[in-house]
Amino acid sequence: AQTVTQSQPEMSVQEAETVTLSCTYDTSESNYYLFWYKQPPSRQMILVIRQEAYKQQNATENRFSVNFQKAAKSFSLKISDSQLGDTAMYFCGLTGTYKYIFGTGTRLKVLA
Amino acid sequence: DAGVIQSPRHEVTEMGQEVTLRCKPISGHDYLFWYRQTMMRGLELLIYFNNNVPIDDSGMPEDRFSAKMPNASFSTLKIQPSEPRDSAVYFCASSPGTGFNQPQHFGDGTRLSIL
Repeated sequence: AQTVTQSQPEMSVQEAETVTLSCTYDTSESNYYLFWYKQPPSRQMILVIRQEAYKQQNATENRFSVNFQKAAKSFSLKISDSQLGDTAMYFCGLTGTYKYIFGTGTRLKVLA
Repeated sequence: DAGVIQSPRHEVTEMGQEVTLRCKPISGHDYLFWYRQTMMRGLELLIYFNNNVPIDDSGMPEDRFSAKMPNASFSTLKIQPSEPRDSAVYFCASSPGTGFNQPQHFGDGTRLSIL
């Protein structure tokens, strides 16, 4: 079975600082993909970043980057230079051959 | 290009009534997914379609829930009869033909409240 665990229900960070959101997963598949989605108060689900498991290089999208530790089955999201607009629920997701699995989310609040 | 379109955005109805949620996927996307989001259980996959055919409905909670995709541009999720515990945000998402290695594009969701 595939599982995704986000152990931090809520976090806060000062504007312009850096924050890291944790995600661990488990899967028996050898080929899979990992995602981070952002859900702001508007309720939209927005793809932030994705990582292909067979790629060792960590994915980066502007201020967002991941620390992918395949052996440890860890996929954390780092947000640099946090902005007020980053305030949202963040979901870690895993997809293998047949299914998407999401974690329960981390609510991030960026403080002015 | 238009994204995934869901309607209605909000639905409030009384227990026992039939509820129909609607979704128009992105044109050209072969996969369509229905999710339910609650505080307690997070985001749960209910059912998904590939080329209009239901592939996995193991997430559908009960027989009261049914989903159809009569054509490539339209899908419905129906609850009959509805119960207060069905109150949640329901999302529809679509993705391109290669499916599970592609990101999903989500609609804005339908907030359903059953009184």
